[in-house]
Amino acid sequence: QKEVEQDPGPLSVPEGAIVSLNCTYSNSAFQYFMWYRQYSRKGPELLMYTYSSGNKEDGRFTAQVDKSSKYISLFIRDSQPSDSATYLCAMSADKLIFGAGTRLAVHP
Amino acid sequence: KAGVTQTPRYLIKTRGQQVTLSCSPISGHRSVSWYQQTPGQGLQFLFEYFSETQRNKGNFPGRFSGRQFSNSRSEMNVSTLELGDSALYLCASATQDRLAQETQYFGPGTRLLVL
Repeated sequence: QKEVEQDPGPLSVPEGAIVSLNCTYSNSAFQYFMWYRQYSRKGPELLMYTYSSGNKEDGRFTAQVDKSSKYISLFIRDSQPSDSATYLCAMSADKLIFGAGTRLAVHP
Repeated sequence: KAGVTQTPRYLIKTRGQQVTLSCSPISGHRSVSWYQQTPGQGLQFLFEYFSETQRNKGNFPGRFSGRQFSNSRSEMNVSTLELGDSALYLCASATQDRLAQETQYFGPGTRLLVL
């Protein structure tokens, strides 16, 4: 079993939809939780990070961490075609462990 | 401020050869990490350097090695290339050490194809 599980998708939604992306993990030592966005042929770009349980909001993006359930989520409100990318969750204790990434397509 | 740069961007090698990839971190960043990204395995941690010392290492064979110079620039070397080494190799820099994992900034990667 992988330390971090993420559904690879693909996920296709219409413009304006609310998108929910999720990851589960097994290592209770993880303390930092991150979401990266990766466009085709580019390196990952840090979107959000949280420390421990709770919510964090940044514009149209909201990250949630539930350490008791070992479950993290990223919500994208009012999704735009420019949000079409692969979204990777990542978490760390002493090194970054990434999920497989979810490919998202937002169509006009 | 310039981002993380990686050279070369694309590389084609044959089995058995060796390859050296280079990474220049963001100015002022002292931590450099390397990752391998493949469709099958996703993004996997190779190693991390901080102030010229390897601080952490992933589960890769000894054919994969790296180093960091006094100016924080880093190189990664893969010897005796195998077909399975074909991947996107990503470098990420951070301001401090692994306690600041959340502030890693990635370069565009070097795409290596082994024939």
